[in-house]
Amino acid sequence: EAQVTQNPRYLITVTGKKLTVTCSQNMNHEYMSWYRQDPGLGLRQIYYSMNVEVTDKGDVPEGYKVSRKEKRNFPLILESPSPNQTSLYFCASSPKAFGYGYTFGSGTRLTVV
Amino acid sequence: GENVEQHPSTLSVQEGDSAVIKCTYSDSASNYFPWYKQELGKGPQLIIDIRSNVGEKKDQRIAVTLNKTAKHFSLHITETQPEDSAVYFCAASIHGQNFVFGPGTRLSVLP
Repeated sequence: EAQVTQNPRYLITVTGKKLTVTCSQNMNHEYMSWYRQDPGLGLRQIYYSMNVEVTDKGDVPEGYKVSRKEKRNFPLILESPSPNQTSLYFCASSPKAFGYGYTFGSGTRLTVV
Repeated sequence: GENVEQHPSTLSVQEGDSAVIKCTYSDSASNYFPWYKQELGKGPQLIIDIRSNVGEKKDQRIAVTLNKTAKHFSLHITETQPEDSAVYFCAASIHGQNFVFGPGTRLSVLP
């Protein structure tokens, strides 16, 4: 089944403890992206990658890192999480960089205390 | 930059009635317009899209119309069913730039 897989689905962590949210897609998509979804603020893009080893900042990149060493994987790294990063996170992929709809993952609900 | 507005923010319809959600965009260079459905506890799912060289597209009970002159596009759902209840997002993109999403519409289909 064609899909984007995120792990974990739920995560509670403490301020300052580094964490990684994994994202993997099995559709050979070139483009991958991370979004956060907050009530009243909608979907906001954190980082995106147009292909392997090519990443760029989205609208809200502060406090996050990403890497794209392989086409299928696009992990999101929070080096020192803070409570304002408590949110619902979605990974998405599409065949090409622009002009194609996304396939989204099921989401990761992160709580930083 | 591009700005996408979406109305209404909430919509309740009786089962079997039609539902219409409208989005407006600001940049006339936008050329691709997808719609997503997000059910509770799930990620958004692409349900239909339209490109700027087409005025209307249908897929069973779902249709999207695009008015480039007025810079708006609409999602039409006919014969609504309870499983259509969800949050719907529109988006717009200009070639070479990332999507701008609308704020979402919460649709409730009442039995």
